[in-house]
Amino acid sequence: AQKITQTQPGMFVQEKEAVTLDCTYDTSDQSYGLFWYKQPSSGEMIFLIYQGSYDEQNATEGRYSLNFQKARKSANLVISASQLGDSAMYFCAMREGRGSGYSTLTFGKGTMLLVSP
Amino acid sequence: KAGVTQTPRYLIKTRGQQVTLSCSPISGHRSVSWYQQTPGQGLQFLFEYFSETQRNKGNFPGRFSGRQFSNSRSEMNVSTLELGDSALYLCASRGEGAPGNTIYFGEGSWLTVV
Repeated sequence: AQKITQTQPGMFVQEKEAVTLDCTYDTSDQSYGLFWYKQPSSGEMIFLIYQGSYDEQNATEGRYSLNFQKARKSANLVISASQLGDSAMYFCAMREGRGSGYSTLTFGKGTMLLVSP
Repeated sequence: KAGVTQTPRYLIKTRGQQVTLSCSPISGHRSVSWYQQTPGQGLQFLFEYFSETQRNKGNFPGRFSGRQFSNSRSEMNVSTLELGDSALYLCASRGEGAPGNTIYFGEGSWLTVV
């Protein structure tokens, strides 16, 4: 079974509109972390936002927010006021377990976001 | 503060050759992990190192190996290259105590095997 599921292969949005990228996860760990990364065509994986499993409030980073619903095991990324530069591949990833030195991530298949003028 | 640096950025190798990729983590970060990204398989975990010790290894053949040095720099090596090893290889580093123990990636090394 997939640990990270991103059901939207592609999303289209107009500039200045908000968009939600879906991510569901599967883990039996109590302690885990959820990440969203942006990957433009250059290949670099750019960190956007992080949510820890024990964080009670949804994470926000500028125009990015993470809609964390623990009971539903979902961690959707919300981008407000989309910009042309937001066009890229977006990956949801999970790190399971707690402990120093543990940085193994499991990635979803990604969602390609295209922002039109 | 410099980010994660990977070298080389692009390289072309012939089947049967070997390749070494290098990764310098963010200053102060002791954890380094490597990932392979292909169109067919997506992003797959290769290995993770912390303070020169391999902490975790993904499901890859023994041709893939890695190491970490005392300055936290890491290298990965692929021997006897196959066409299917053509991929983007991404290195990531993680710092202690960073908000959420955030994991940062480099720009990647694009490997083409011909």
